[in-house]
Amino acid sequence: KAGVTQTPRYLIKTRGQQVTLSCSPISGHRSVSWYQQTPGQGLQFLFEYFSETQRNKGNFPGRFSGRQFSNSRSEMNVSTLELGDSALYLCASTLLTGGRGYTFGSGTRLTVV
Amino acid sequence: ELKVEQNPLFLSMQEGKNYTIYCNYSTTSDRLYWYRQDPGKSLESLFVLLSNGAVKQEGRLMASLDTKARLSTLHITAAVHDLSATYFCAVNSGGGADGLTFGKGTHLIIQP
Repeated sequence: KAGVTQTPRYLIKTRGQQVTLSCSPISGHRSVSWYQQTPGQGLQFLFEYFSETQRNKGNFPGRFSGRQFSNSRSEMNVSTLELGDSALYLCASTLLTGGRGYTFGSGTRLTVV
Repeated sequence: ELKVEQNPLFLSMQEGKNYTIYCNYSTTSDRLYWYRQDPGKSLESLFVLLSNGAVKQEGRLMASLDTKARLSTLHITAAVHDLSATYFCAVNSGGGADGLTFGKGTHLIIQP
C-alpha cells in the first residue's frame, strides 16, 4: 500500500517568489492536513482539507493557501516567500474514523534565499 | 487555545536503562498521538490513544493516557541505541477536524 507522497522533496526559492507543494494521500484517505516544521517554532498546523473543503486553518498569514482536488490530492501554495518560510513542510492523511492516526509523508524541504 | 507540553526536552541515557517521557495538554482532547522522528526524516506513527486508561505497547515502548489528568506517558524499557530519536506527542481537540497540536518534542540520545 503506497504511503503519503509529497513532491518535490527539496526546493530552493528566492524571496518574493511563490511556491506550490503537492501531496498525494494514501488511497482511500479523504482528509489531508499540512504542517510546517522549523527549529524555532516546532511543528505547526497549517490547514486541513476534507472532501475538497478546508475544515480548519492554523495561525498563518494569508500568503499560505491550499486546496484539495476531487481525487483527494492536495496542494499548498506560499506566495511572496520570506526567509522565515524556510522549513520542512509535512503533509498527513487520515481516514478520520476508526481511531487511526495520521500518516505523514516524507516532507518537502523548502529553502528561501 | 490547546497547549501541549513535553518534558524533558532533552534526555541522554545509557543503554539498558528505563525512562519516561511526559506529555501534558491543556484542554479536553479525544485522542492523543505519539510520533518518532529521526534526523532529516518525517514522522513515524507510534501510538494512537483514544480513551482514558488506554495503554499500548510496542517492543520496548509503552504509552498510556490519563484523560482526567490530561497526561500521557511514553515509557522506554531497557533502552537500546536504535531508539535514539526525537519523540513528539500530539493532540487534537475536535474529532480530528482541528489538526494536531504538537509538543516541542523530546530529543532522546541513548548511548551504548
